[in-house]
Amino acid sequence: GIQVEQSPPDLILQEGANSTLRCNFSDSVNNLQWFHQNPWGQLINLFYIPSGTKQNGRLSATTVATERYSLLYISSSQTTDSGVYFCAVDEAAGNKLTFGGGTRVLVKP
Amino acid sequence: SQTIHQWPVTLVQPVGSPLSLECTVEGTSNPNLYWYRQAAGRGLQLLFYSVGIGQISSEVPQNLSASRPQDRQFILSSKKLLLSDSGFYLCAWSRWGATEAFFGQGTRLTVV
Repeated sequence: GIQVEQSPPDLILQEGANSTLRCNFSDSVNNLQWFHQNPWGQLINLFYIPSGTKQNGRLSATTVATERYSLLYISSSQTTDSGVYFCAVDEAAGNKLTFGGGTRVLVKP
Repeated sequence: SQTIHQWPVTLVQPVGSPLSLECTVEGTSNPNLYWYRQAAGRGLQLLFYSVGIGQISSEVPQNLSASRPQDRQFILSSKKLLLSDSGFYLCAWSRWGATEAFFGQGTRLTVV
């Protein structure tokens, strides 16, 4: 099956800093989503982005499907951005998502 | 708007006891439904998915089973829990096709 790798595994930021999270996948995909898992475990949808670029406030994402990677940008980070960020992909149209290992982000005040 | 509910939120069960976790979706019809498990606080693994009532596909061999008795109801079960069944279980739904999936708040299961 498809492989999904996220980097870095851990990231410590000072409040106000910018950062880039990367997601590499081993095959072409029909679906790619970014999620933020909060301290209570809930997965919050950030982006549905199988290709192209999207922005939502301080967050933006870019997927280059032909090169099999996606990037999540966090600008002017805040302590509430702490948590684990997951990339998940699906090769077909059934939305059976394969998750990466996540990037654990800690934003210090 | 669509919402997804899971319960219970936390559960502590002894080894060998049965399990029933429930997930319901509101505000849509004929959704695709999914059960995922997260162990050790990292990536999620798909356990079961369903495209309709009574239609269940298992993705990994395990001690668990799933059922879909109604269009918007998805149940995860076990007859006898193992210690290795401990983890965080999340239900998700999506519309048919390559679209966005949405997750419930999860159930944290500890088998003791």
